[in-house]
Amino acid sequence: DVKVTQSSRYLVKRTGEKVFLECVQDMDHENMFWYRQDPGLGLRLIYFSYDVKMKEKGDIPEGYSVSREKKERFSLILESASTNQTSMYLCASSPGTGGFNEQFFGPGTRLTVL
Amino acid sequence: AQSVAQPEDQVNVAEGNPLTVKCTYSVSGNPYLFWYVQYPNRGLQFLLKYITGDNLVKGSYGFEAEFNKSQTSFHLKKPSALVSDSALYFCAVRDQTGGFKTIFGAGTRLFVKA
Repeated sequence: DVKVTQSSRYLVKRTGEKVFLECVQDMDHENMFWYRQDPGLGLRLIYFSYDVKMKEKGDIPEGYSVSREKKERFSLILESASTNQTSMYLCASSPGTGGFNEQFFGPGTRLTVL
Repeated sequence: AQSVAQPEDQVNVAEGNPLTVKCTYSVSGNPYLFWYVQYPNRGLQFLLKYITGDNLVKGSYGFEAEFNKSQTSFHLKKPSALVSDSALYFCAVRDQTGGFKTIFGAGTRLFVKA
């Protein structure tokens, strides 16, 4: 089974802190994604990556950056955390380049910014 | 632009009764369509997808969905609901010509009462 792991289930940070969220997948998938999930808004794409060192902005990239130095690892960085970044963050991966493959999700990180 | 609508925030059904969770979509080209389920405090799990071919798609846990191109719908169905089906359900669409970006609906919470 594909496994996507995220470094923390719960995280509490203060406004202005730099925050790192780590995601690792063990199935050699080419594509990795970061979403945030907010009630009533569903999942919104922050960034995605289709190859090592490649990244593309999603719908809400402002205030975030990403890093993909190795195929299995995709990091989300909040440069200066703000209270409106309090949310559930979900990482996902998918294989191939066809676009028709489903995504495999990690358990999520619930981030609270005080 | 791609979009997904899940018109019901919540669906209530009695155990043993059939259930339907509605989804309509809008894409400029042909769609790839997906359903995911999220159980409490867990990440999303893939249920089923439509790529091409037969309009009736069968997936995990006895769920199925019907692709209706003329109505641009992809409703999720199950003939007999279980209490354990209670969860948050997300419909998602990807335009076949639109690269990697998948748009998720806002989610529908399903309550199955014993």
